[in-house]
Amino acid sequence: KNEVEQSPQNLTAQEGEFITINCSYSVGISALHWLQQHPGGGIVSLFMLSSGKKKHGRLIATINIQEKHSSLHITASHPRDSAVYICAGLIIQGAQKLVFGQGTRLTINP
Amino acid sequence: GAGVSQSPSNKVTEKGKDVELRCDPISGHTALYWYRQSLGQGLEFLIYFQGNSAPDKSGLPSDRFSAERTGGSVSTLTIQRTQQEDSAVYLCASSLEAYGYTFGSGTRLTVV
Repeated sequence: KNEVEQSPQNLTAQEGEFITINCSYSVGISALHWLQQHPGGGIVSLFMLSSGKKKHGRLIATINIQEKHSSLHITASHPRDSAVYICAGLIIQGAQKLVFGQGTRLTINP
Repeated sequence: GAGVSQSPSNKVTEKGKDVELRCDPISGHTALYWYRQSLGQGLEFLIYFQGNSAPDKSGLPSDRFSAERTGGSVSTLTIQRTQQEDSAVYLCASSLEAYGYTFGSGTRLTVV
């Protein structure tokens, strides 16, 4: 079983729709990152969460520590939001590493 | 520079040859990470450097892979006797603390 599970794997929506991507993680993960990867492009760190909720523009990330669950929401989605969104758990056991979910491929149609 | 710089951006090599991939982290970032993303796969941890501590090599897939970080700054990932399954995008990231990662744009390695 992966330490970080994302859903859905693929998501297609119309411009303007409210988008939710979910991430569940296992014990031992200290914090959650949400990353964005555009086709052919690099990876951009969107949020790092260890508790509560963060908002940046149309993006909102929440985390429920008790349930080991995080969500990324996009309000008023736009075709330029089309990308792969990756949830990554931070493990600190002496050394540190990110453990990645498989990603959610989001396509927003005009 | 302002970000994490990786070179080359693309590398095509023949099976069996050695390759070196370079990462210039953000100045002052003490932690440096290498990850790999194979076609259609998720991201995979390879190796982690933190300051002068011994690196965490637990993610390296075989002894053909090695990495070093000189002077606490630039890192080189070396793959010896490349195989076709080594084809992937190799990503470097650096951070000052555990919580702020900046990724490079990656090196796309193709082994033919």
